[in-house]
Amino acid sequence: GEDVEQSLFLSVREGDSSVINCTYTDSSSTYLYWYKQEPGAGLQLLTYIFSNMDMKQDQRLTVLLNKKDKHLSLRIADTQTGDSAIYFCAANYGGSQGNLIFGKGTKLSVKP
Amino acid sequence: EPEVTQTPSHQVTQMGQEVILRCVPISNHLYFYWYRQILGQKVEFLVSFYNNEISEKSEIFDDQFSVERPDGSNFTLKIRSTKLEDSAMYFCASSERDRGEQYFGPGTRLTVT
Repeated sequence: GEDVEQSLFLSVREGDSSVINCTYTDSSSTYLYWYKQEPGAGLQLLTYIFSNMDMKQDQRLTVLLNKKDKHLSLRIADTQTGDSAIYFCAANYGGSQGNLIFGKGTKLSVKP
Repeated sequence: EPEVTQTPSHQVTQMGQEVILRCVPISNHLYFYWYRQILGQKVEFLVSFYNNEISEKSEIFDDQFSVERPDGSNFTLKIRSTKLEDSAMYFCASSERDRGEQYFGPGTRLTVT
């Protein structure tokens, strides 16, 4: 079936850039999302990109999409300790209205 | 900023009991969703709802599950006879338009004993 894969852990130093990678299998996914989950909290929508775009920038966040390779990345510039969280990549499944398929999440640890 | 709210934040119930999880979507949103996340596993889609009917449901969403929009603001998920394996975090989400970005609530942690 369709799937979304992410690496499970990433550790960076404060001030460095973080790059979180994701691959997906459904070539008909039209929306790709990044969500952030802090301990004990819900899923916060960080940013999203349409499949007809290859880049989107939003302040410290840059999303890159390589549709040919079905590869999505999230770059966080000047990473802060407050960015420590689990980051989920998600893709809408096929032509569905809103069935999102999530990756397992990447735990980002930011060291001072 | 408008947000999705969910109650209760934590529900403990005994196996075989019925539970109702409640959500208040963002007020101008028309599309509603339930997802669940079993501890240590991926967030999984359960059901989507639009115009007072189910649009899509996953294999997880069997006859034990039902959803309802009882009034203009609430959206509920009912589990008729809970099983141990229903223990999970249940997230409600809403979006303004078809295939629009989904905003999630903080979740309800359901523990079935």
